[in-house]
Amino acid sequence: KAGVTQTPRYLIKTRGQQVTLSCSPISGHRSVSWYQQTPGQGLQFLFEYFSETQRNKGNFPGRFSGRQFSNSRSEMNVSTLELGDSALYLCASSTFSGLANEQFFGPGTRLTVL
Amino acid sequence: AQSVTQPDIHITVSEGASLELRCNYSYGATPYLFWYVQSPGQGLQLLLKYFSGDTLVQGIKGFEAEFKRSQSSFNLRKPSVHWSDAAEYFCAVGYNDMRFGAGTRLTVKP
Repeated sequence: KAGVTQTPRYLIKTRGQQVTLSCSPISGHRSVSWYQQTPGQGLQFLFEYFSETQRNKGNFPGRFSGRQFSNSRSEMNVSTLELGDSALYLCASSTFSGLANEQFFGPGTRLTVL
Repeated sequence: AQSVTQPDIHITVSEGASLELRCNYSYGATPYLFWYVQSPGQGLQLLLKYFSGDTLVQGIKGFEAEFKRSQSSFNLRKPSVHWSDAAEYFCAVGYNDMRFGAGTRLTVKP
């Protein structure tokens, strides 16, 4: 079974631009969660989608948004990019929503904001 | 406030030596507890998890962790470290959402 895939793997943007990251979960998984990883703040939960509905949201500004499609693929969008948005963005999928379900992580998208 | 603490930022051990990585949490109730490993350029891989029951949990790659309620700790152990274990290790706590510790970077000396 193929693992979680994230595209693109690397991205360079400038301040003020917007960006869309994509995540394809493991086949059969219906929950997708997004995390931001930075040297300063560590790993932080962004949001979780299950069956096209946002189930949970972390403490991030409204510039960070996401959605999930009927095939469980998910996209994350960041508008009006700031230098501090430079990070590794990780996507994780699981069979169902809820912390008791094991999450499988993708390799991440490395976003650099100049 | 709810928090997860990994006191050691960086640990160096010799290959074949034993390993213990510390994790403490501060929550009102016992949350779900996890240990993940992240190799350079890769995502996180789940080593083991604790929800309830036996407080000694066995995981993959020869790792185990012990939940101690009285100490609010969930320390990760391995009896004999291999060079391939060099990576960053994250303790995570699940309550309303998943919160990660700052991570411990493990270096293995030959």
